Amino acid sequence: SQKIEQNSEALNIQEGKTATLTCNYTNYSPAYLQWYRQDPGRGPVFLLLIRENEKEKRKERLKVTFDTTLKQSLFHITASQPADSATYLCALDPSNDYKLSFGAGTTVTVRA
Amino acid sequence: DAGITQSPRYKITETGRQVTLMCHQTWSHSYMFWYRQDLGHGLRLIYYSAAADITDKGEVPDGYVVSRSKTENFPLTLESATRSQTSVYFCASSLAGGNEQFFGPGTRLTVL
Repeated sequence: SQKIEQNSEALNIQEGKTATLTCNYTNYSPAYLQWYRQDPGRGPVFLLLIRENEKEKRKERLKVTFDTTLKQSLFHITASQPADSATYLCALDPSNDYKLSFGAGTTVTVRA
Repeated sequence: DAGITQSPRYKITETGRQVTLMCHQTWSHSYMFWYRQDLGHGLRLIYYSAAADITDKGEVPDGYVVSRSKTENFPLTLESATRSQTSVYFCASSLAGGNEQFFGPGTRLTVL
C-alpha cells in the first residue's frame, strides 16, 4: 500500500538548536513534495516546495532536502525559536495529478 | 483582501440531516480542494476541482457532493450526515495544479 510517514509525533528541542523532521514515502515517484506548517485551530500554511530534480531548497531558517532514491525528505529548522512551535506536515502528489496526500504531521515544541 | 473563507466555522447537526459547508476565495484560483482532518489520519482529500464545472473525487468522497458553478465558490454538501463525518473540514485553493495551496480557517462539524 502507499504510505507517507513522518517521524515521531512530537519533537521537543531547546531554543537555538536545529530541529530535523523526516518524511518517508513508499511506492510513489512524486515529481515534487511540499511542507506546510499548522498551528492549533488553524489551517495549514505553505512553507516550501521541492521538485524531484532539486536536492535542497532553503527559505530563511528552513531547509528541505529531497532524496528520491531513499524516498525521503528532511525538513530542518535552524536556530529554532519558540515561535517555531507548531505541527509540520509533508505532502506528496502520488499520481502527479495535483491530488495531495499528507503525512500525519510532526509536532515541534521549542523550549525557551 | 479576504483570501479564502469558510462558513460556518462551527456546526452541530444530527444524523441524517443535510449540511452544506461553504468555501469562497477571492484570488480567482483555478484549483479548489476539500479536505477533512481527523486525529490519526491527518488531512485527507475529499474532492477537488480544476476549474468551474470540473470536479473529481479524492481519497474519501463517499457521502459528499460538490459543485462549482463559479470559480470563487466550492460548496461541500453532506447529503445525509453520519457520525463518522464528524471532523474538521478545510477548503484550499491554488493558482494552478501542483502549486502551493492556500487553506481556509476550517469548519468544525459535529454530527450527533
